[in-house]
Amino acid sequence: GEDVEQSLFLSVREGDSSVINCTYTDSSSTYLYWYKQEPGAGLQLLTYIFSNMDMKQDQRLTVLLNKKDKHLSLRIADTQTGDSAIYFCAESSYGQNFVFGPGTRLSVLP
Amino acid sequence: DAGVIQSPRHEVTEMGQEVTLRCKPISGHDYLFWYRQTMMRGLELLIYFNNNVPIDDSGMPEDRFSAKMPNASFSTLKIQPSEPRDSAVYFCASSFGGRAHEQFFGPGTRLTVL
Repeated sequence: GEDVEQSLFLSVREGDSSVINCTYTDSSSTYLYWYKQEPGAGLQLLTYIFSNMDMKQDQRLTVLLNKKDKHLSLRIADTQTGDSAIYFCAESSYGQNFVFGPGTRLSVLP
Repeated sequence: DAGVIQSPRHEVTEMGQEVTLRCKPISGHDYLFWYRQTMMRGLELLIYFNNNVPIDDSGMPEDRFSAKMPNASFSTLKIQPSEPRDSAVYFCASSFGGRAHEQFFGPGTRLTVL
């Protein structure tokens, strides 16, 4: 079945850039997403990219998609302590059959 | 809008008891999803509804789990009888029509089965 993989932990210094990586297996994925989960809260959609795009930028967030390698990344520029959270990569086919990765816990050190 | 509302936020029960989790989606949303999150298995989609009709329940772990959506503003996830391995955080999410893929999540219900 479909699978989404992420590294589980990432630590960065405040002010540095963070890059969170994700790989997926479903070649029919049409949407790829990044969600953020803060402690005790539900998931919040940060951004998504359609599979025919290779880049999307939204303020401090940059999403890169390499469809050939089935690799997705999220870059957070000027990382702040408020960015500390778990980041989930997810994919779906036309808004159906959502599959989430295990989440990457981002720790921002002062 | 208040967002997706879930109740209770925390539930502690004993093995064998019936548990009912509740969800109120965002008004106007026609898709509703139930997820379970555990450390071991991550986030799993259990079931989703479109216009109050269950579309895919292949993620429901077993017959002890059931979900209903009697109207557009309310859904329940019931576990009967509950077991310790059901302990998890259960999330409800909703989305709207043509942007069905943009799901809005509730705060979750943390279930502990002793």
